[in-house]
Amino acid sequence: AQTVTQSQPEMSVQEAETVTLSCTYDTSESDYYLFWYKQPPSRQMILVIRQEAYKQQNATENRFSVNFQKAAKSFSLKISDSQLGDAAMYFCAYRSAMGGDGGATNKLIFGTGTLLAVQP
Amino acid sequence: GAVVSQHPSWVICKSGTSVKIECRSLDFQATTMFWYRQFPKQSLMLMATSNEGSKATYEQGVEKDKFLINHASLTLSTLTVTSAHPEDSSFYICSATRGRLVPYNEQFFGPGTRLTVL
Repeated sequence: AQTVTQSQPEMSVQEAETVTLSCTYDTSESDYYLFWYKQPPSRQMILVIRQEAYKQQNATENRFSVNFQKAAKSFSLKISDSQLGDAAMYFCAYRSAMGGDGGATNKLIFGTGTLLAVQP
Repeated sequence: GAVVSQHPSWVICKSGTSVKIECRSLDFQATTMFWYRQFPKQSLMLMATSNEGSKATYEQGVEKDKFLINHASLTLSTLTVTSAHPEDSSFYICSATRGRLVPYNEQFFGPGTRLTVL
């Protein structure tokens, strides 16, 4: 079975600084997706960034980027130029891409989350 | 696009009563919907996966007779907590996917429903 581990329960960063959130996972599959989700106090889950396992290039979305190390099964999230609105719980998630539907009906497996505080 | 709504956003009920939570995909057809439960300061735990027109697949340890899931149409899934008890108090979140017709098969999340059982 696949597992996702986030070893940092809480992190803090100064506004405008850079912070990296860690995530490791375990799987025997070769085809999968990795995600970072943000859950602000409103509790609405927001997709921050995704990475396809077959892609070697690290995904980037504006101030958010990942460091995907497939051999090490590591998937960290870097937030640059941190803003007050980045304060939230961040979840790393895994989803298998196996299956005839490209993994559409496969479940997300979440890590335990990292609570990020942004100091003004 | 790809908006998922949940109703109600919060509900308080007495112990022993049943509560129904609706999850709707507003602007797309959801081939598959997922129901999660989240306790305070904890991660999301998948309860069940439901495909339109078929029975839900429950995760191990989830009581299917207590948490009834119905996915009657491509835009609506319901979760009914039967004979609710205080330990069922939690935050329930649904998500929906459009299937493989779009890239990445992303899951779109609803805003959640807070259930409090007195």
